[in-house]
Amino acid sequence: QKEVEQNSGPLSVPEGAIASLNCTYSDRGSQSFFWYRQYSGKSPELIMFIYSNGDKEDGRFTAQLNKASQYVSLLIRDSQPSDSATYLCAATISNFGNEKLTFGTGTRLTIIP
Amino acid sequence: EPEVTQTPSHQVTQMGQEVILRCVPISNHLYFYWYRQILGQKVEFLVSFYNNEISEKSEIFDDQFSVERPDGSNFTLKIRSTKLEDSAMYFCASLGGHTYNEQFFGPGTRLTVL
Repeated sequence: QKEVEQNSGPLSVPEGAIASLNCTYSDRGSQSFFWYRQYSGKSPELIMFIYSNGDKEDGRFTAQLNKASQYVSLLIRDSQPSDSATYLCAATISNFGNEKLTFGTGTRLTIIP
Repeated sequence: EPEVTQTPSHQVTQMGQEVILRCVPISNHLYFYWYRQILGQKVEFLVSFYNNEISEKSEIFDDQFSVERPDGSNFTLKIRSTKLEDSAMYFCASLGGHTYNEQFFGPGTRLTVL
């Protein structure tokens, strides 16, 4: 069974601090990795994707990928109360994202004002 | 901004009844997907569809499920004889155009089977 694992949380972070979310995956064939944000009762919304080892930054968000360790992370800088949501990590074997996404269970993040 | 739409937003049905969930993907997208999320659980892949045929389906997508793109704009998921365990949020997604790395998700249809 090809799995994506996340700590379900909840993770509580003070406003303005850095939130760190982690994800591991079991399928070494996975090529692309995605972080989605999901508010309660809503659909997943893409934050960013990464497919090369190293860091990728987009505004307050930084994704990190280590294929040797099969590990993906998401850092959220200057956390805001609006960042409170469940963060879903997903993996796919495709370089283009057109293959199915395998999701983790998600980490529930709460930003404390 | 283009978006994926889904109807209905909430469907209540009796066990054993057939339901059709409808999706309108983003117009220039070529890949289409159905996922589901049982309350409190992870998002699970059901089926992918490309070039008018199923590309891949999961173990969940058994003979009770079918998909169709009847008219070049709609993309439907049919469940022939619903079971209690089919109660979930069903998300349609599409991919293509200039954003080949992002599967855009629709708002979902909440299916409740009584």
